[in-house]
Amino acid sequence: KNEVEQSPQNLTAQEGEFITINCSYSVGISALHWLQQHPGGGIVSLFMLSSGKKKHGRLIATINIQEKHSSLHITASHPRDSAVYICVLIQGAQKLVFGQGTRLTINP
Amino acid sequence: DAGVIQSPRHEVTEMGQEVTLRCKPISGHNSLFWYRQTMMRGLELLIYFNNNVPIDDSGMPEDRFSAKMPNASFSTLKIQPSEPRDSAVYFCASSLGSGTANTGELFFGEGSRLTVL
Repeated sequence: KNEVEQSPQNLTAQEGEFITINCSYSVGISALHWLQQHPGGGIVSLFMLSSGKKKHGRLIATINIQEKHSSLHITASHPRDSAVYICVLIQGAQKLVFGQGTRLTINP
Repeated sequence: DAGVIQSPRHEVTEMGQEVTLRCKPISGHNSLFWYRQTMMRGLELLIYFNNNVPIDDSGMPEDRFSAKMPNASFSTLKIQPSEPRDSAVYFCASSLGSGTANTGELFFGEGSRLTVL
């Protein structure tokens, strides 16, 4: 069983829809990153979470340490949100475990 | 600030040749990470430096790979000799902090796409 599972693997939605991407894991972590990789390949770190919730613009990330689950939400989605979203577990101080990513496509 | 700068952006080389990838982190950041991304394996952390010192190189695939950080503003990832299976996009990232758990946001370079023929 993989240590981290993202769902869905692929998601296509219409502009304006509310988007949720999930990350479930089976190991103890100290924190979790959400990364966004644009179609051109560039990677942007969206959030680093160790508890609770963070919000940045239309993006919201939550984490429940007890349930070993994190979600990334996008409100009022836009075609420019089309990207691959990657959940990254941080174990201890340094070990990183990467999810396989969720490919999001927002159609106009 | 110009962000994390990587070079070259693209490199095509023949098997057996030496490849050197370069990274300039954001000024003031004290942690630097090298990642590799392939279709098969996704993103993998190769090595991580803190204050120019390699902290964890357990992700480095084999002895053909080496990384250095001679000063706070420059790092190299070298592959010698290169093999076709090394073809990937290599990303450098920097942050401020003492470990991946303690850092704030990671800032990524645009990547170096390596093709080994």
